[in-house]
Amino acid sequence: SQKIEQNSEALNIQEGKTATLTCNYTNYSPAYLQWYRQDPGRGPVFLLLIRENEKEKRKERLKVTFDTTLKQSLFHITASQPADSATYLCALDSNAGKSTFGDGTTLTVKP
Amino acid sequence: DTAVSQTPKYLVTQMGNDKSIKCEQNLGHDTMYWYKQDSKKFLKIMFSYNNKELIINETVPNRFSPKSPDKAHLNLHINSLELGDSAVYFCASSQNGQGAGYTFGSGTRLTVV
Repeated sequence: SQKIEQNSEALNIQEGKTATLTCNYTNYSPAYLQWYRQDPGRGPVFLLLIRENEKEKRKERLKVTFDTTLKQSLFHITASQPADSATYLCALDSNAGKSTFGDGTTLTVKP
Repeated sequence: DTAVSQTPKYLVTQMGNDKSIKCEQNLGHDTMYWYKQDSKKFLKIMFSYNNKELIINETVPNRFSPKSPDKAHLNLHINSLELGDSAVYFCASSQNGQGAGYTFGSGTRLTVV
């Protein structure tokens, strides 16, 4: 069955460091992969989308890589700030337009 | 102006009752969705409508019935509520349903007692 795993439920890092979050999947051939940020009591907010034929995408301090051979996506936040503390979700999409979400990694950036 | 708005934000009700959650988007998107997020934070798709037409209907009990009167609205009606229905329900929308990212509402926390 299809499975999506995000690394460790919680990730704690020091302000200014780079946070790296992992999204691994099995039994899935996604057309594209998305990353979202979710704050407590709020809905997920779309951050980045990367397609199966793209290796890397950047947006300001965010970088996403997508390795379809390893079946893995890495999400990096450089120069992290306490305001980056949130839960980050990856979502895989087939061309059918149906997304499967991971269970998220909660990032805490300490000042 | 809220892009995807859903009401109510909180809903506490007794087992066996029938309740509705409303959702509206002002983004002009073609596709709308209902997701359920359980206590373990998994987001699972329930339904998807494209231009008022049902296109995704996951394994959801028949007690859940979506209604889309127009492409800007997607409501969720739940009959005979059960304790296990307690969760946060998110409405979302996207353009053309693919590759554009989803815009989520702020969620409706449903508690069945």
